[in-house]
Amino acid sequence: IVMTQSPATLSVSPGERATLSCRASQSISSNLAWYQQKPGQAPRLLIYSASTRATGIPARFSGSGSGTEFTLTISSLQSEDFAVYYCQQYHNWPPWTFGQGTKVEIK
Amino acid sequence: EVQLVESGGGLVQPGGSLRLSCAASGFTFSSYRMHWVRQAPGKGLEWISYISSSSNDRYYADSVRGRFTISRDNAKDSLFLQMNSLSDEDTAVYYCARSATNTPFDYWGHGALVTVSS
Repeated sequence: IVMTQSPATLSVSPGERATLSCRASQSISSNLAWYQQKPGQAPRLLIYSASTRATGIPARFSGSGSGTEFTLTISSLQSEDFAVYYCQQYHNWPPWTFGQGTKVEIK
Repeated sequence: EVQLVESGGGLVQPGGSLRLSCAASGFTFSSYRMHWVRQAPGKGLEWISYISSSSNDRYYADSVRGRFTISRDNAKDSLFLQMNSLSDEDTAVYYCARSATNTPFDYWGHGALVTVSS
């Protein structure tokens, strides 16, 4: 299953909303996760089952979608949210596949 | 607190071998599936290998199958990746990560850098 993220880069001002997209090449039900990765750090699980926040993740992060189309929304960007975000499917495996990432940068 | 700590990375010549380790703590290691994921410099995440909790099932990405071997020692709460016939395309940070049955990767190690260069 190929995962395609868009856009590659998203320029957003602090306090604004960010909307990231992820598309699967075939239906993955809701077996989709979102990860955040900051420079020099390991990825951190944000969202699983397409819309469930992982432990300790702030409510400004929300996920939606099912089947082949998914969205990660950050309602009001904080300085610590500027990072690269990856989606991952865990519906049909192996392999477990990631999108190519969306970099959220300061506008 | 769940912790995964990789070790064994370093500089290796093309064609050489390296063995990565991942020490787990803070959870019942023998109950979890484990993975290796790598990230080449400036690139995205690539899953490369999986091992079931009992070691009965092992899977590999096409890019490493036949060259890499995943294993674990549940008595020592440790995961391993034996990497042979390394090429410069294997240069990356290698992460170990855990998952449960049909779940995402909820905890990751800090990563181990492997550089393949002459």
